[in-house]
Amino acid sequence: EPEVTQTPSHQVTQMGQEVILRCVPISNHLYFYWYRQILGQKVEFLVSFYNNEISEKSEIFDDQFSVERPDGSNFTLKIRSTKLEDSAMYFCASSEADGRVGSEQFFGPGTRLTVL
Amino acid sequence: AQSVTQLGSHVSVSEGALVLLRCNYSSSVPPYLFWYVQYPNQGLQLLLKYTSAATLVKGINGFEAEFKKSETSFHLTKPSAHMSDAAEYFCAVMNTGFQKLVFGTGTRLLVSP
Repeated sequence: EPEVTQTPSHQVTQMGQEVILRCVPISNHLYFYWYRQILGQKVEFLVSFYNNEISEKSEIFDDQFSVERPDGSNFTLKIRSTKLEDSAMYFCASSEADGRVGSEQFFGPGTRLTVL
Repeated sequence: AQSVTQLGSHVSVSEGALVLLRCNYSSSVPPYLFWYVQYPNQGLQLLLKYTSAATLVKGINGFEAEFKKSETSFHLTKPSAHMSDAAEYFCAVMNTGFQKLVFGTGTRLLVSP
């Protein structure tokens, strides 16, 4: 069964460093998403991406964040200068059709980011 | 803004007992509603979704949920709990015209023998 994969499973970094979280969405999916979950809090939407551009983003997704689809298979989230409060589990998701019509979003296992 | 409320951060049941996990939504228009399950160290897996086709929605692993507009609820049920159902369950809403899922705080289901 096709699945979304994410690497690494756990990333530890120093405050102020740049990190790149990687995701491989399901191969025939066209819409891609990042969410995060700070420990003990809700899963929160960060950004959606379609046709090589951001289609929707939350207020959390500020200039420190960027997303990219560098090739036909990977989808990355970059945090330019990490802060302590960026420590969270980051989930990548993908959907075959536009989420606005209720299309199911398939989630990866997550990357746990720890900022020291 | 649309949101969901999940009552009870933890629910404990005995194996074979009815499972009822509560979710209420707030939305100005009928939304899309989802239940996801998260097993330890795994991602979020879709259990079922409501997209206005039918008010009683059947999902995987014997779960179902009923959309009740008058009560703005979308509670998740299963007639008989198994030990393997122990996990965290998330209710989520998506309003038409938006792509983002808005999640509730989650309910951890504990199943005892």
